[in-house]
Amino acid sequence: DGGITQSPKYLFRKEGQNVTLSCEQNLNHDAMYWYRQDPGQGLRLIYYSQIVNDFQKGDIAEGYSVSREKKESFPLTVTSAQKNPTAFYLCASTLWAGGKQETQYFGPGTRLLVL
Amino acid sequence: ILNVEQSPQSLHVQEGDSTNFTCSFPSSNFYALHWYRWETAKSPEALFVMTLNGDEKKKGRISATLNTKEGYSYLYIKGSQPEDSATYLCASQGAQKLVFGQGTRLTINP
Repeated sequence: DGGITQSPKYLFRKEGQNVTLSCEQNLNHDAMYWYRQDPGQGLRLIYYSQIVNDFQKGDIAEGYSVSREKKESFPLTVTSAQKNPTAFYLCASTLWAGGKQETQYFGPGTRLLVL
Repeated sequence: ILNVEQSPQSLHVQEGDSTNFTCSFPSSNFYALHWYRWETAKSPEALFVMTLNGDEKKKGRISATLNTKEGYSYLYIKGSQPEDSATYLCASQGAQKLVFGQGTRLTINP
């Protein structure tokens, strides 16, 4: 079955620790995205990537880093510089049709909690 | 940053009633308007992508309209059922990314 997988479902971070959230897709989509959701707020874009080895900052990139070494994978690292990391993180992908964006498909999400 | 607003934030509707809610977005530099349904413990799922002013789309009992000149979209649900309970997200598409509203949380009371 084609889809997007995220792991883990729950992640606990200690003070000063970097943690990495996994996102994998087998949809052969070009573009991938990371969003953060906080209670009462919409999805906010952290980083996105339209092609392998290239990515751009979204609206709230500070304290996060990403890589895009393979088309299928777009891991997100929450660094110790992110002072309020507790949130629900969603990964999405879309078939980038030359500037005309298609529907985004979402993974099941990872909930990050700080110990 | 585009500012996308949804209202109301939450809504309780009796089973069988019809309902609607609103998404407002900046009308300048508009590419498309997306609607998603997000059920608890599941991934957001696409409902509609709309691009043209006056566009109307329908999927079963759910329909949506689009006014790009004044910057709003309505989502309608006819004859609400318990399975319609979810958060409904709209997103305005810019050049390379979507900007989401905060969502409308719909609860259907049996």
